[in-house]
Amino acid sequence: KAGVTQTPRYLIKTRGQQVTLSCSPISGHRSVSWYQQTPGQGLQFLFEYFSETQRNKGNFPGRFSGRQFSNSRSEMNVSTLELGDSALYLCASTSGAPAVGNTIYFGEGSWLTVV
Amino acid sequence: GENVEQHPSTLSVQEGDSAVIKCTYSDSASNYFPWYKQELGKGPQLIIDIRSNVGEKKDQRIAVTLNKTAKHFSLHITETQPEDSAVYFCAAEGNEKLTFGTGTRLTIIP
Repeated sequence: KAGVTQTPRYLIKTRGQQVTLSCSPISGHRSVSWYQQTPGQGLQFLFEYFSETQRNKGNFPGRFSGRQFSNSRSEMNVSTLELGDSALYLCASTSGAPAVGNTIYFGEGSWLTVV
Repeated sequence: GENVEQHPSTLSVQEGDSAVIKCTYSDSASNYFPWYKQELGKGPQLIIDIRSNVGEKKDQRIAVTLNKTAKHFSLHITETQPEDSAVYFCAAEGNEKLTFGTGTRLTIIP
């Protein structure tokens, strides 16, 4: 079956703009999480959604937000972009509710460059 | 919150030799420890995981060991091959949140 699909794969934005990234989880998966990956900070947890509800949130400013739709697809939004927001944004899905030991499957990510 | 430290940050080994990557974690409540492999241009992929009630797990050339008392766990890759070259991440899960190490870039020298 198809894996986690993220769009767009690459994008360039200007400081101050906002961006929306999209994620379609594996069919049947109901939980979606987002991570930011940078060379200096590694993989940082942004937030997790299950059944359209945010279940967990990382330590990111309010400029980072997300949502999940009834079909489990998810979007994340970053407003007022800063140069430091340049990163690979990874979406991951898992089959059930957030629980210890559920295998998460990552998409290939969206590369965001802020200039 | 949880803090995961991973060493080394880079590792080069001759093809056929073994590679070992080590991680420590801070939260004694963490009880699930996956390892991910990330190839260039791709998202991380789970390669092996271990739960806190198990001390060791093996899958072909890959093994993971866990010492809960010392709060550290390690990835062992034997008989390394060129396709093992990638970035490897350890992670620890506690309170339904996964915290990753900073990654190890493994290079296999032919």
